[in-house]
Amino acid sequence: SAVISQKPSRDICQRGTSLTIQCQVDSQVTMMFWYRQQPGQSLTLIATANQGSEATYESGFVIDKFPISRPNLTFSTLTVSNMSPEDSSIYLCSGRGVNTEAFFGQGTRLTVV
Amino acid sequence: QKEVEQDPGPLSVPEGAIVSLNCTYSNSAFQYFMWYRQYSRKGPELLMYTYSSGNKEDGRFTAQVDKSSKYISLFIRDSQPSDSATYLCAMSHAGGTSYGKLTFGQGTILTVHP
Repeated sequence: SAVISQKPSRDICQRGTSLTIQCQVDSQVTMMFWYRQQPGQSLTLIATANQGSEATYESGFVIDKFPISRPNLTFSTLTVSNMSPEDSSIYLCSGRGVNTEAFFGQGTRLTVV
Repeated sequence: QKEVEQDPGPLSVPEGAIVSLNCTYSNSAFQYFMWYRQYSRKGPELLMYTYSSGNKEDGRFTAQVDKSSKYISLFIRDSQPSDSATYLCAMSHAGGTSYGKLTFGQGTILTVHP
């Protein structure tokens, strides 16, 4: 089955700074998504990463705060911009192929201080 | 009201017990149903998926879907300490602009003690 490598696995960042999370899939996938998992809570979809075009954001998430790129079928980045402590969370990349259900990376555990 | 409701537990059972995990949902557009297992500090791992009402069995795991009642379940037989994890139900629409997007329940924390 396909594997997603996500990095960094964790980081501690100062408020007001930005962090870019990278997601690499070992095979081509049709769709890639970014989710957030806040402490003690479930996963919430941030956006769909579209290859070669702007991401599609869910309600409550905006491009200025969470710019996303997907230059090809196997790679995507999520940037968390101008961070505040409320952005402390686990960020997860997900991929889905034509014949596979959604699978996830290990996640990036972000702490903003 | 959340679209997907899942009892967060925690649930603690002895080894060998049968575990029942449940989710209810309100959106009848959900057509695909999945269960993920998430170990501490790991990403979710797909356990089971099903597209139709009824039961689907895979080893010690059985997924059950009742679309008329908007209710899904995961049964774990002969539970093992290695089953201790958070179990997340997830569901998605059939297609269109919602294709591939998952809506998750809160997750149930399960502990199986020897």
